[in-house]
Amino acid sequence: QSALTQPASVSGSPGQSITISCTGTTSDVGSYNYVSWYQQHPGKAPKLIIFDVSNRPSGISNRFSGSKSGNTAYLTISGLRTEDEADYYCSSFTSTRTLLFGGGTKLTVL
Amino acid sequence: QVQLVESGGGVVQPGRSLRLSCAGSGFTFRNYGIHWVRQVPGKGLEWVAVFWSDGHTTYYADSLKGRFTLSRDNYRNMVYLEMSSLTAEDTAVYYCARDDDPTTHYSQFAFWGQGTLVTVSS
Repeated sequence: QSALTQPASVSGSPGQSITISCTGTTSDVGSYNYVSWYQQHPGKAPKLIIFDVSNRPSGISNRFSGSKSGNTAYLTISGLRTEDEADYYCSSFTSTRTLLFGGGTKLTVL
Repeated sequence: QVQLVESGGGVVQPGRSLRLSCAGSGFTFRNYGIHWVRQVPGKGLEWVAVFWSDGHTTYYADSLKGRFTLSRDNYRNMVYLEMSSLTAEDTAVYYCARDDDPTTHYSQFAFWGQGTLVTVSS
């Protein structure tokens, strides 16, 4: 199974909104609402920011939101802040009861 | 507080084996699935395997070709990842993570360890 497809990089200015896509197949993203998003700062472990497509864990800002259409999931970050600069990874449950991650997207806040 | 601590990483020669450990504390360990995720330095995340909370179900990434084996000791609050026939492509930071998804769909890795670095080199 190949990794989910994410853009390698996105950028935005403080206060703006950005959206990161995560494209899979009918064996993963398209068939299950078990898509998650993780934020990872350099040298740190990943941090869960969205689960089950659009749910935020306790303590995660409502500036982070998730959605899905067909085989593609989306992470939107609104009101960009400098501390949002990080790598972002999507993940999806698969039909073989494994997990796929996306290749990761580097967010630069200009 | 919830803690996961990986250990056992280090430098290992190609073709050899290595066992990583993941110790959990601050929660009822037996109630949670524990996953291993690895990351080549500077690269993306790769899911490795999961040991379900039922105490016997495991799943592995297809790419591992049967070289990795999980075991679990709920008395010691430990999960072990036995890795064999190691190659340079297995060089990575290995994280263990707690799955908070009660439906066992791997969607809530809310707690992660700090990772342990495995370097496969002669």
